[in-house]
Amino acid sequence: KNEVEQSPQNLTAQEGEFITINCSYSVGISALHWLQQHPGGGIVSLFMLSSGKKKHGRLIATINIQEKHSSLHITASHPRDSAVYICAAFILTGGGNKLTFGTGTQLKVEL
Amino acid sequence: DTEVTQTPKHLVMGMTNKKSLKCEQHMGHRAMYWYKQKAKKPPELMFVYSYEKLSINESVPSRFSPECPNSSLLNLHLHALQPEDSALYLCASSHGDSGSIYEQYFGPGTRLTVT
Repeated sequence: KNEVEQSPQNLTAQEGEFITINCSYSVGISALHWLQQHPGGGIVSLFMLSSGKKKHGRLIATINIQEKHSSLHITASHPRDSAVYICAAFILTGGGNKLTFGTGTQLKVEL
Repeated sequence: DTEVTQTPKHLVMGMTNKKSLKCEQHMGHRAMYWYKQKAKKPPELMFVYSYEKLSINESVPSRFSPECPNSSLLNLHLHALQPEDSALYLCASSHGDSGSIYEQYFGPGTRLTVT
């Protein structure tokens, strides 16, 4: 079982819809990264958070350390939001804090 | 400059070839990373350099040889690769050392095909 799980694996939404992507993890973490990967391959960092909530434009990320859960919300979704969204947790190992990736959520926003 | 650049964007090589991937950042970051990503899978960590020294090698086969000539540059030398090594190779960098928690900035990747 992966230490970092995401749901759903695939998501299709209509333009304008409110979208939620969930991330849960089974071990203690130091912080969590939300990343966006477009079909071309490049990965963009959206948020890094260790508590509470962060907002940037139409994107909101929340984390509940006690419940080992984080969510990424997209308000007023747009076709350009179509991408793979990946959560990645900083997990403390013998070699330091290692970024452990979830399996990703493929989002498609249709007109 | 908040960019990590990678060259080449695409690379096709035979199993007997020797080639190198290059990654560069000018953000003053002291940790640099190589990841391998297969289609529809998350990135897998290969190597981490911290202050120009190799700090993590995730049991990567010796046909992959990393090099960090200076704090801005990271290379991945490839030799005698196998077709299953075909993947997207991503470079990333972050402030401070790899043991700490810093946001990682990713490059656009090099899509490698081994024939």
